[in-house]
Amino acid sequence: GAGVSQSPRYKVAKRGQDVALRCDPISGHVSLFWYQQALGQGPEFLTYFQNEAQLDKSGLPSDRFFAERPEGSVSTLKIQRTQQEDSAVYLCASSLGQAFNEQFFGPGTRLTVL
Amino acid sequence: QKEVEQDPGPLSVPEGAIVSLNCTYSNSAFQYFMWYRQYSRKGPELLMYTYSSGNKEDGRFTAQVDKSSKYISLFIRDSQPSDSATYLCAMRSGAGSYQLTFGKGTKLSVIP
Repeated sequence: GAGVSQSPRYKVAKRGQDVALRCDPISGHVSLFWYQQALGQGPEFLTYFQNEAQLDKSGLPSDRFFAERPEGSVSTLKIQRTQQEDSAVYLCASSLGQAFNEQFFGPGTRLTVL
Repeated sequence: QKEVEQDPGPLSVPEGAIVSLNCTYSNSAFQYFMWYRQYSRKGPELLMYTYSSGNKEDGRFTAQVDKSSKYISLFIRDSQPSDSATYLCAMRSGAGSYQLTFGKGTKLSVIP
């Protein structure tokens, strides 16, 4: 079953390190989303891509967060100079066609910053 | 105050019970309402999707939306241990919108 996959599943970083989180959406899905889910909270929107174009990055919490999807399929969320408050699960979701169709979520990457 | 409020629980019920989960919201622009189920260490999975006010039923699950009260509910009949998970409500506004606003989730345990 080709669902959304994310890697790594778990990442421990020392404060100040850079990290890169990968998302492989469902094949053919045009829209891709990143969400941040803090412990005990619901997911919060970070950014949205339609194919390779980043159409909305209003949810990125600081300029340390950067996302790309250069070929319109795989996406990478990069966090520079990680801080303890960046510790969360980072979820990727994709949807077929228009962005407002059903979003299918991956299992997430759990980032712990020490 | 957050746009979407949801009691985090935890909620513990015996197998076979009827479960009622609820969210309230403040943004009157929300028109599309969803319930997601999230098992531990997994991503959210869409359970129910409702547009505007009314009821929607799917098997043991019923979703209700009351836009006048800004209140949505999910009912689970004949609850099973496999229903043990965190249930997240989510909402978005108009037809062209894509940003989902989630509640913080209610953790449900169904005890055999």
